[in-house]
Amino acid sequence: EVQLVESGGGLVQPGGSLRLSCAASGFTFSNYWIHWVRQAPGKGPMWVSRIDGEGRTTDYADSVKGRFTVSRDNAKNTVHLQMNSLTAEDTAVYYCARDLRVANHWGLGTLVTVSS
Amino acid sequence: QSALTQPASVSGSPGQSITISCIGSSSDIGGYDFVSWFQQHPGKAPKLVIYDVDNRPSGVSNRFSGSKSGNTASLTISGLQAEDEADYYCNSFTTSNTHVFGSGTKVTVL
Repeated sequence: EVQLVESGGGLVQPGGSLRLSCAASGFTFSNYWIHWVRQAPGKGPMWVSRIDGEGRTTDYADSVKGRFTVSRDNAKNTVHLQMNSLTAEDTAVYYCARDLRVANHWGLGTLVTVSS
Repeated sequence: QSALTQPASVSGSPGQSITISCIGSSSDIGGYDFVSWFQQHPGKAPKLVIYDVDNRPSGVSNRFSGSKSGNTASLTISGLQAEDEADYYCNSFTTSNTHVFGSGTKVTVL
């Protein structure tokens, strides 16, 4: 069974940092792009970032470029999202997702709250 | 990277058909056949209902169908059922090698 489990969310002060993790199981991890998508309370999803199966190609939304870094460890079937210089606008549930097309699968999300 | 434009709400009676539009540009919807549609119930993660414009994932009802014309994609739900009441979001790949979601449409079954 395909599973994606996010962790690392929590309360952080403005200007702070947080590292999210996405642990995958049930499929050949290195074969798939992994995306991060966030959803602020009461809002629609916003695409954040993606990383290819080998970890060689990464892309970011303009609003997080230069502040967020995505990486993966295929030996541990894990993707990380390092988030720096956080602001209140980054408050959201953060989901990792396998592919956004035919092989799509989502985790349950982890809540990040940026507040003093 | 502005969100794709969707109507805020669409409603229909059980058994009717509804169509949700998703308006983008030549930099996203018009540039690729990589449009997906997601259904989201409150408190749940999104669920894929259409990928690559008009393809249905295994297990998704054939009442869901997708299409595209120019810079506009559409999702049609036929034979509307109570369980279809949810938020729906389109998503497209872009020429910047990013993805963009739509603004979202709340579907109400009357």
